[in-house]
Amino acid sequence: GENVEQHPSTLSVQEGDSAVIKCTYSDSASNYFPWYKQELGKRPQLIIDIRSNVGEKKDQRIAVTLNKTAKHFSLHITETQPEDSAVYFCAASPNDMRFGAGTRLTVKP
Amino acid sequence: DARVTQTPRHKVTEMGQEVTMRCQPILGHNTVFWYRQTMMQGLELLAYFRNRAPLDDSGMPKDRFSAEMPDATLATLKIQPSEPRDSAVYFCASGFFLVEGEQYFGPGTRLTVT
Repeated sequence: GENVEQHPSTLSVQEGDSAVIKCTYSDSASNYFPWYKQELGKRPQLIIDIRSNVGEKKDQRIAVTLNKTAKHFSLHITETQPEDSAVYFCAASPNDMRFGAGTRLTVKP
Repeated sequence: DARVTQTPRHKVTEMGQEVTMRCQPILGHNTVFWYRQTMMQGLELLAYFRNRAPLDDSGMPKDRFSAEMPDATLATLKIQPSEPRDSAVYFCASGFFLVEGEQYFGPGTRLTVT
């Protein structure tokens, strides 16, 4: 089955800096890669996703890149703000959905 | 604004008791997932259904957990008997999958087994 690894587990940045979270996956059949943001006590919410026929996708301050050959994908957040502080999960889907262990991002004002 | 709903939102029970959690997926979605979230394990896939048929429940302890979809508007996750190690937040998520696609999470059920 699919195995997703996510790094780093914690990340602290200064407001305005960029943050990068990386994930690798094992199943070459995976073709859908979403990213979720989870604030304390709340449900995970989809923030951006990418499909296997695209190498990069951007939505305002967030972007995701995918390298299918190397089986890794990354989340990039630019101009970070304190409200970006949360746990971020990557996932990969061949048919089901397997999640990485999460990255706790702290943006210091 | 369609959302996945889950009941109950919180449940405290004693070890050995039966627990049933319910999920109403977004109308029209054909795939339902059950996840368990603990501090140590992150989001762990327990089971998922497509068009009400169970596709994978390999993440569930079979001796005590069971998942069903009696109809397209209701998914249930049952634990019998419950144990303290089952304490976690249980999330349901739904999506409309042709091949793959985004899924939307419910608010979760926070289960505490004493």
